[in-house]
Amino acid sequence: GAGVSQTPSNKVTEKGKYVELRCDPISGHTALYWYRQSLGQGPEFLIYFQGTGAADDSGLPNDRFFAVRPEGSVSTLKIQRTERGDSAVYLCASSSTGGGGYTFGSGTRLTVV
Amino acid sequence: TQLLEQSPQFLSIQEGENLTVYCNSSSVFSSLQWYRQEPGEGPVLLVTVVTGGEVKKLKRLTFQFGDARKDSSLHITAAQPGDTGLYLCAGIPGSGNTGKLIFGQGTTLQVKP
Repeated sequence: GAGVSQTPSNKVTEKGKYVELRCDPISGHTALYWYRQSLGQGPEFLIYFQGTGAADDSGLPNDRFFAVRPEGSVSTLKIQRTERGDSAVYLCASSSTGGGGYTFGSGTRLTVV
Repeated sequence: TQLLEQSPQFLSIQEGENLTVYCNSSSVFSSLQWYRQEPGEGPVLLVTVVTGGEVKKLKRLTFQFGDARKDSSLHITAAQPGDTGLYLCAGIPGSGNTGKLIFGQGTTLQVKP
């Protein structure tokens, strides 16, 4: 596609529920990144894929967070047993090579009530 | 832990004024990127600097990478209301090309007409 697409754009869920956030990168981009951003702050790194494998998952805050990219294209960020502190904008980005210029999606705003 | 400290965190100026945003770290970065983000959107890449001492210009914006590759600055000349937004610096730590970007906290710029 022309850009990075993230769905849904907004998600409201109840505390304790499971959510999935989807990212469709730019076609052909091998690297895909997930970030989390609080209002007025810089994005916080979560995980980075090179192809199908997670090259660096050191930013995942705990084992409730998991991400997959089974075919090296679309990625899904999964959050189990959501907590109010998980509320944030989740951003996805892709690039053609690791370390190149990133293209970000518009993000998914997750609100846990 | 590699940290990027941005200053100031908030800046409100009148149209036509000049301003400088700073991005500092005690760590070396292989490259520094500057992004601009508007509400409800993902960050958009403005420039990447890779060589110590490098200066790049983008219309009224001037970006500089420190000689030691630990700091960077963004200077805007004759700011316009359209420059309003969140400015983010981000770097790839070390000398490699891991793809993992570390972001600063951001500088919120408001340019009043």
